[in-house]
Amino acid sequence: DAGITQSPRHKVTETGTPVTLRCHQTENHRYMYWYRQDPGHGLRLIHYSYGVKDTDKGEVSDGYSVSRSKTEDFLLTLESATSSQTSVYFCAISEWGQGARNTIYFGEGSWLTVV
Amino acid sequence: KNEVEQSPQNLTAQEGEFITINCSYSVGISALHWLQQHPGGGIVSLFMLSSGKKKHGRLIATINIQEKHSSLHITASHPRDSAVYICAVLSGGGADGLTFGKGTHLIIQP
Repeated sequence: DAGITQSPRHKVTETGTPVTLRCHQTENHRYMYWYRQDPGHGLRLIHYSYGVKDTDKGEVSDGYSVSRSKTEDFLLTLESATSSQTSVYFCAISEWGQGARNTIYFGEGSWLTVV
Repeated sequence: KNEVEQSPQNLTAQEGEFITINCSYSVGISALHWLQQHPGGGIVSLFMLSSGKKKHGRLIATINIQEKHSSLHITASHPRDSAVYICAVLSGGGADGLTFGKGTHLIIQP
């Protein structure tokens, strides 16, 4: 199994509070992703990173920010949580390109409930 | 943006049946992944395909690049195969990762 862990795994928070989810990898993979998974939508990309301090927005980035100060850590922050951000959040890591394995590994998910 | 469509959305079958899940996409790709997600569980990659066919145990995945179509087959299905199967495609250089289908929810009844 790839070394990728998410924390916390479960969290209940109140509307308007900030929340940070952490993704930690031990594989030294260049690419890291945050997805959310909701019924009827499948997995949707929130933000991604292609290196330390190199990040970009995905299709559902509003209300979220990210940071990657080290290769191994990718943080997702909800500055002011809303009920619409209740979801399951998955982190993923990968290496793409010539000579790479072109595969992807997912964390076990973080269940976030905003009340 | 690549559009990924899976069919069927839901499938219930009896143990032992041959299962086929289909995936089509709209734009040329560099690779296609089949992923498996058990209820409440994480997501694992079953196959990565760029051409042809791959087999792993009772699972077979095929891809037709010209027709922009892939299939996942399960032979001699078993209740432990019950899961959501997700098709995902990698386009271009891959920096922004995969584009996912909505998944096929498979239930195998004993």
